[in-house]
Amino acid sequence: KQEVTQIPAALSVPEGENLVLNCSFTDSAIYNLQWFRQDPGKGLTSLLLIQSSQREQTSGRLNASLDKSSGRSTLYIAASQPGDSATYLCAVGVIQGAQKLVFGQGTRLTINP
Amino acid sequence: GAGVSQSPSNKVTEKGKDVELRCDPISGHTALYWYRQSLGQGLEFLIYFQGNSAPDKSGLPSDRFSAERTGGSVSTLTIQRTQQEDSAVYLCASSFSSGRNAQFFGPGTRLTVL
Repeated sequence: KQEVTQIPAALSVPEGENLVLNCSFTDSAIYNLQWFRQDPGKGLTSLLLIQSSQREQTSGRLNASLDKSSGRSTLYIAASQPGDSATYLCAVGVIQGAQKLVFGQGTRLTINP
Repeated sequence: GAGVSQSPSNKVTEKGKDVELRCDPISGHTALYWYRQSLGQGLEFLIYFQGNSAPDKSGLPSDRFSAERTGGSVSTLTIQRTQQEDSAVYLCASSFSSGRNAQFFGPGTRLTVL
């Protein structure tokens, strides 16, 4: 059974810092890995999608990496801003069955002005 | 529409009542998913529709939960005889055909069972 873990559960940093969020998964049989952002009381916003054959994806100040063999992904946020404050969720797309997403518990990020 | 839409945004019901939650996927997306997000459980998969194939119901927590998708587009999730433990945010997502494609989520329906 696929399990996804995100560390840390919460992170608070001053504005302007670069930071890394971590995600690990137990089964390498995945289609892809997707990073989402969730603001309080809102749905999920897709940030980056990395296919299983890829090593990284970049969008603006965000860079996500994937090491499928070791079951790890990182989300790098450069020059953090208060507007980046949200919960960040990592999810892997499983190959077996429903091709569903299996989610981690999320990292709650606070950027202090 | 431009994104996935869900209705209602909030639903408060009494224990034992039936509720229906609606999802409108992104036009052209053949895959549709329902997930549930509750405190302490995180986000969990409920059911998956792909085109005209039989749905994958492996994530439904009990036989009180059912879902249908009409005309390959709009989907309705029905919870019968609601219980307090059904209180959660129900999220719908859609994607192009296969699991290789990104899933895009709606804003969710917050269900509260009193």
